[in-house]
Amino acid sequence: QQQVKQSPQSLIVQKGGIPIINCAYENTAFDYFPWYQQFPGKGPALLIAIRPDVSEKKEGRFTISFNKSAKQFSLHIMDSQPGDSATYFCAASIPFNAGGTSYGKLTFGQGTILTVHP
Amino acid sequence: AAGVIQSPRHLIKEKRETATLKCYPIPRHDTVYWYQQGPGQDPQFLISFYEKMQSDKGSIPDRFSAQQFSDYHSELNMSSLELGDSALYFCASSLLRGLVTEAFFGQGTRLTVV
Repeated sequence: QQQVKQSPQSLIVQKGGIPIINCAYENTAFDYFPWYQQFPGKGPALLIAIRPDVSEKKEGRFTISFNKSAKQFSLHIMDSQPGDSATYFCAASIPFNAGGTSYGKLTFGQGTILTVHP
Repeated sequence: AAGVIQSPRHLIKEKRETATLKCYPIPRHDTVYWYQQGPGQDPQFLISFYEKMQSDKGSIPDRFSAQQFSDYHSELNMSSLELGDSALYFCASSLLRGLVTEAFFGQGTRLTVV
């Protein structure tokens, strides 16, 4: 049972295009939603993250849109470049609770393989 | 800036052998996580440690164990290796007591069981 569902599985765009990757979650206890970029054989690298109290966050060419009522969030990559070709994962976690029930483990979506053609 | 360091980067073992993976978290980070990523799959949470105590456990086989030491480095011990254990193993660290939820991943250890 995938708690975070990601789509599409793969995406091909031309340089300069705006790929959009979508994620949906069920667990309303999630309160932190990061996006990771992963190149083959490398570790996931944190791109950008959002919390449910904001609907949009921008960092450089990357934007997260968040819809709390729909339990959905998405990543937009502006002016995409061939160097952006990678696998992108959305993720979610429950708040840290030193009382003993949550320590920030990440639940990942299935990943999206993005290819940006020159 | 210092990152999460994992060793070895590559490991080849035979079935039924034992493997030990090491992780050195970012200095002053209080939490370490281990994830397993199979080919074409998303990372799956195995186990975590907060301030050197096991804090959370995911789908970690009984053949695997882990611990965090006084210097905060962590080791994942894998025994009776099976072909299906071949995967990338990532360690990540974060600073939870500072309410900084961001988790930073190491470069991973590629384990191949033959």
